[in-house]
Amino acid sequence: AQSVTQPDIHITVSEGASLELRCNYSYGATPYLFWYVQSPGQGLQLLLKYFSGDTLVQGIKGFEAEFKRSQSSFNLRKPSVHWSDAAEYFCAVGAGSNYQLIWGAGTKLIIKP
Amino acid sequence: DVKVTQSSRYLVKRTGEKVFLECVQDMDHENMFWYRQDPGLGLRLIYFSYDVKMKEKGDIPEGYSVSREKKERFSLILESASTNQTSMYLCASTHGTAYNSPLHFGNGTRLTVT
Repeated sequence: AQSVTQPDIHITVSEGASLELRCNYSYGATPYLFWYVQSPGQGLQLLLKYFSGDTLVQGIKGFEAEFKRSQSSFNLRKPSVHWSDAAEYFCAVGAGSNYQLIWGAGTKLIIKP
Repeated sequence: DVKVTQSSRYLVKRTGEKVFLECVQDMDHENMFWYRQDPGLGLRLIYFSYDVKMKEKGDIPEGYSVSREKKERFSLILESASTNQTSMYLCASTHGTAYNSPLHFGNGTRLTVT
């Protein structure tokens, strides 16, 4: 069965520092990969997605993610975080014929001033 | 911008009550979803609907039902609320599939069952 693992429940980063959030998936073929963000009190919003082609994808708010087939990973990165990036980040995988997503448990990002 | 509106932000109900969670979207999306969000478990799909009066079970449909009488409205029903249904409930909609179109989420309804 397909699964998604976000190994870090919480991550604390200083404002202005770089960020990497980890996501690993389990699936036999190349899945559809997504990162969504949930800001406090807000609905989830799509940051970026990967279907095929260039393995480095750019998203909104200055985020990027890299698909690494050999590591079954799709890690999210940002070179310099801002206080407004404090949120919960969810990795999701689309890997079935029913077009539904399988979600990771989420990583809560805390920004230190 | 797509707007997905969930009727209540917070809801407190008693065990055994029938509970209705309402969701309305304003972009004529065919597909609508109800998810449950719990700490450490991410989002789990309860039900989805791909057209009026059509519904499909998700991963955790037990204890829930849904209704979609109009395209813009998708209701989640807890027939007899139990304490283990205390959770955050998220409604989402999309045009096309979740693979090729972004899911648009409401702000969520935090339900407490006492």
